[in-house]
Amino acid sequence: GAGVSQTPSNKVTEKGKYVELRCDPISGHTALYWYRQSLGQGPEFLIYFQGTGAADDSGLPNDRFFAVRPEGSVSTLKIQRTERGDSAVYLCASSPKLGGEQYFGPGTRLTVT
Amino acid sequence: EDKVVQSPLSLVVHEGDTVTLNCSYEVTNFRSLLWYKQEKKAPTFLFMLTSSGIEKKSGRLSSILDKKELFSILNITATQTGDSAVYLCANDQAGTALIFGKGTTLSVSS
Repeated sequence: GAGVSQTPSNKVTEKGKYVELRCDPISGHTALYWYRQSLGQGPEFLIYFQGTGAADDSGLPNDRFFAVRPEGSVSTLKIQRTERGDSAVYLCASSPKLGGEQYFGPGTRLTVT
Repeated sequence: EDKVVQSPLSLVVHEGDTVTLNCSYEVTNFRSLLWYKQEKKAPTFLFMLTSSGIEKKSGRLSSILDKKELFSILNITATQTGDSAVYLCANDQAGTALIFGKGTTLSVSS
């Protein structure tokens, strides 16, 4: 079946602009996670959803970052007033249940110039 | 502070060699330890370990967990060039976020 998909695959934006990154999880997966991966590092947790609600957003670095999952399926990560330090690969993962293995999408490479 | 430490950070071997990748962890709420392979962007799932001493095996790859000593190893036998990748170890923190190590970059030369 289809895996986790993310769009766009690459996004270049200017400092100060607003961006939205989209994640389509595997059908039927209730848990959805966002991570950020910088070069040479492992993925770092940002936020996760169980259903429609954000169950834990403790990894979001500041209030410029926000994520939604209004219908319990597709999720959008929103970044306001982007900064060069936001440049990274943003990974989305889904899981059939909390505590199960997480399946990752190909990521969105965000570059802030 | 919860953390996952992987070693070595990088490794270069010849095709046919056997390699062992290490992962140690310090976490307050352990549920499971996971291994992923990352070739380009998407980490792909390899193993999830929850019990000590039980080896999980898939082809030439195997992994085992030691919950007393807080570490896991990933073994790859008869390495192939297609095994070249970053191998990530992660702790499942109470069934929610994964805490990842920095990864081991494996390069297999022909």
